Amino acid sequence: QVHLRESGPGQVKPSETLSLTCNVSGVSIITHSFYWAWVRQAPGKGLEWIASTYYSGTAYYTPALRSRVASSVDTSKNQFSLTMKSVTAADTATYYCARLSTSENGGWLYYFDLWGQGSRVTVSS
Amino acid sequence: SVELTQDPAVSVALGQTVTITCQGDSVRRNSASWYQQRPGQAPKLLIYNADKRPSGISGRFSGSRSGNTASLTITGAQTEDEADYYCNSRDSSGQPFVVFGGGTKLTVL
Repeated sequence: QVHLRESGPGQVKPSETLSLTCNVSGVSIITHSFYWAWVRQAPGKGLEWIASTYYSGTAYYTPALRSRVASSVDTSKNQFSLTMKSVTAADTATYYCARLSTSENGGWLYYFDLWGQGSRVTVSS
Repeated sequence: SVELTQDPAVSVALGQTVTITCQGDSVRRNSASWYQQRPGQAPKLLIYNADKRPSGISGRFSGSRSGNTASLTITGAQTEDEADYYCNSRDSSGQPFVVFGGGTKLTVL
């Protein structure tokens, strides 16, 4: 059975760097047609895509956060990570890691078929 | 980024049928997927590739697309269907970005 599990600090001070890791079990992170992604949800708000990373290291970021985030994959540990620098209160959210399936057949198909349980992060001094 | 538009809230009587929509150019060009999120839980994939259900998803959930609108239909709504529903697609700008709709809160009366 495939599981994704996030780990994170719980609380981060403003201006500091947030680091999150997603451990993947039950499937190799080296899988074609899948990206490993981060999605966040601020309290009472909707889902916001942050980043998608291929096992090769190729990464894509939402333009709104591109200057502050970086995503990487560690194939030896079967996990992937997200760092976000210079956090503010607006970054307070539950951060989900997820597997993103992508394919093209006349148009693109992007969907998240697996999700972690979420890591709640509060930015506060 | 390109937006996907959803009605913020929809209600349905117990046992009746309800349709939730998702509009945007992304859906016109690419397939939409749908997720259910119950309070305090992670999202769960309901529909992908416009109308495909993953294993284990009830047949009461179905999806379709017409033009720039993707639709999620729940037939015979149950109390456990009360949740937030989100659509997503790939950005239509040509960039490999993901876009989400703003979400629809479904209330079962």
